[in-house]
Amino acid sequence: AQTVTQSQPEMSVQEAETVTLSCTYDTSESDYYLFWYKQPPSRQMILVIRQEAYKQQNATENRFSVNFQKAAKSFSLKISDSQLGDAAMYFCAYRRITSSNNDMRFGAGTRLTVKP
Amino acid sequence: DGGITQSPKYLFRKEGQNVTLSCEQNLNHDAMYWYRQDPGQGLRLIYYSQIVNDFQKGDIAEGYSVSREKKESFPLTVTSAQKNPTAFYLCASSIVPGANVLTFGAGSRLTVL
Repeated sequence: AQTVTQSQPEMSVQEAETVTLSCTYDTSESDYYLFWYKQPPSRQMILVIRQEAYKQQNATENRFSVNFQKAAKSFSLKISDSQLGDAAMYFCAYRRITSSNNDMRFGAGTRLTVKP
Repeated sequence: DGGITQSPKYLFRKEGQNVTLSCEQNLNHDAMYWYRQDPGQGLRLIYYSQIVNDFQKGDIAEGYSVSREKKESFPLTVTSAQKNPTAFYLCASSIVPGANVLTFGAGSRLTVL
């Protein structure tokens, strides 16, 4: 079974600074998707960024970017110019491309605090 | 605006009672899912449905039941057989089964007294 590990239960960053959240995963598949979801205090999960494993280029969405290291099975999220609204739980997730049931595996999450 | 509506937001239950959590979507998505979230753990899949009148068990289906009589509705019943039902429950949908983007509702918090 695929597993997703987020080794940082909590992180904090100063407003306007950069922070990197770590994620590793275990799989024997060669093709898959990776995701970062944000869960703000409202508790509604929001997709931040996604990466297809077959793409070598790291995904970027405005201030959010990933460092995808396929051989190391690592998928970290970098948040630049952190804003107070970035404070949330962040979940890393994995899904096989061949999955028909959207069997998405989530990490335990990292709670990010942004200090003004 | 299209989205997923979950109700109630907070629910209290006495031991031995069944409760039903509502999930309605107006996104015209085919697939719907129920996840359970506990502190310090990631989301775990309870049940999913790829199409009307069809649903499949996820990793932790014991003590739960679902129905999918309409495309837009996927209610979850937490039965008295669920040993530890206090948790946060999230409903999600995707445009088709296996689509790589999930849209989530705002969740329901169930507390057993």
